[in-house]
Amino acid sequence: DTEVTQTPKHLVMGMTNKKSLKCEQHMGHRAMYWYKQKAKKPPELMFVYSYEKLSINESVPSRFSPECPNSSLLNLHLHALQPEDSALYLCASSPGTVGTGELFFGEGSRLTVL
Amino acid sequence: GESVGLHLPTLSVQEGDNSIINCAYSNSASDYFIWYKQESGKGPQFIIDIRSNMDKRQGQRVTVLLNKTVKHLSLQIAATQPGDSAVYFCAENLSPHGNNRLAFGKGNQVVVIP
Repeated sequence: DTEVTQTPKHLVMGMTNKKSLKCEQHMGHRAMYWYKQKAKKPPELMFVYSYEKLSINESVPSRFSPECPNSSLLNLHLHALQPEDSALYLCASSPGTVGTGELFFGEGSRLTVL
Repeated sequence: GESVGLHLPTLSVQEGDNSIINCAYSNSASDYFIWYKQESGKGPQFIIDIRSNMDKRQGQRVTVLLNKTVKHLSLQIAATQPGDSAVYFCAENLSPHGNNRLAFGKGNQVVVIP
């Protein structure tokens, strides 16, 4: 299994809602990542988890809350988002955090905040 | 919000011709450089990487060239096929010895004309 699976594929939420994005991989990878991608823009790193511990938070607002329940799962909890947070949220994994930078990306969750 | 009319640099190439995509990077201390391909509606997919102690690396139908003097990276695709139509991002690994912090370039759209 060489896939990173993200759910849901599409999500529409209001500014007062609480929702979660989920990511799963069964490649035995020990590093997982959240990226945000706006239309026509490159992916921007949000969070890095290494061995289930948060190792990088790229100054992401607290309305985004990551969680890594185990080495296969990564969640992104969303609360009180703004319309400008509408974007494609990409999850990725890699065998470890030391390496060339080859990440395995999921297809993303497209989020629309109304 | 999004800029109206924002678009990616676009390379239109005839099927069967070779494509060259260029990228400038900023950090002279970066050790690894990576090319990713992102098809419409999908997450980025690793193509090839190159370490800073190399000038050239070849894969299947792809070659990456690195010019450290002018901080320039290029991706050559031989005999371009319709399936090569995508957005191509270069990335530099800002911390290959821990955390795999990737900084993506702006992206280039490749359109293959059958």
